[in-house]
Amino acid sequence: DSGVTQTPKHLITATGQRVTLRCSPRSGDLSVYWYQQSLDQGLQFLIQYYNGEERAKGNILERFSAQQFPDLHSELNLSSLELGDSALYFCASSARGTSGTDTQYFGPGTRLTVL
Amino acid sequence: LAKTTQPISMDSYEGQEVNITCSHNNIATNDYITWYQQFPSQGPRFIIQGYKTKVTNEVASLFIPADRKSSTLSLPRVSLSDTAVYYCLVLSGGYNKLIFGAGTRLAVHP
Repeated sequence: DSGVTQTPKHLITATGQRVTLRCSPRSGDLSVYWYQQSLDQGLQFLIQYYNGEERAKGNILERFSAQQFPDLHSELNLSSLELGDSALYFCASSARGTSGTDTQYFGPGTRLTVL
Repeated sequence: LAKTTQPISMDSYEGQEVNITCSHNNIATNDYITWYQQFPSQGPRFIIQGYKTKVTNEVASLFIPADRKSSTLSLPRVSLSDTAVYYCLVLSGGYNKLIFGAGTRLAVHP
């Protein structure tokens, strides 16, 4: 158990819909990261937040957005969903997220299925 | 960003030592080498990290030669539960975002 929690575990929805994925980081960690893992694209970095502020952006679509709240939990919002958005979405956290040696701890993931 | 290259797959048997080599020719001076393990439908799990020479923990050893253009993850006496995908990553820049490659799919046989 990494200490990172994600809800829900599974999510099934239809195209065009909007969903919210939630992540609670390990106690004391200030940085939260979101990753998407699909069969054809592998694990891809989406976005990082550090202490409530966006710190780095990866291949995140404009239909996707995220935020980190004052209690440091984070939400990833996915809108206008398409079939290709079906994937595992992982959240990770680290103590700081400002150093190359900062270990990231991954949550169990949310499996999103878009029908 | 330093690109990594590692074998797509490897096979081993229980009790053997497994060495997975990763090449990262463009590694920069301030970069660190990190390995993660991932089981199906689970989040990646940190295994080990190093900068140079040898690092050992309770799970694995990491060997990094002086030129740092490659690294080798060594798993002693593997068991069936070590069957997983192993990712070699080079941590670049100040933001710590992880760039995952395809990884090495290790299959341990009885």
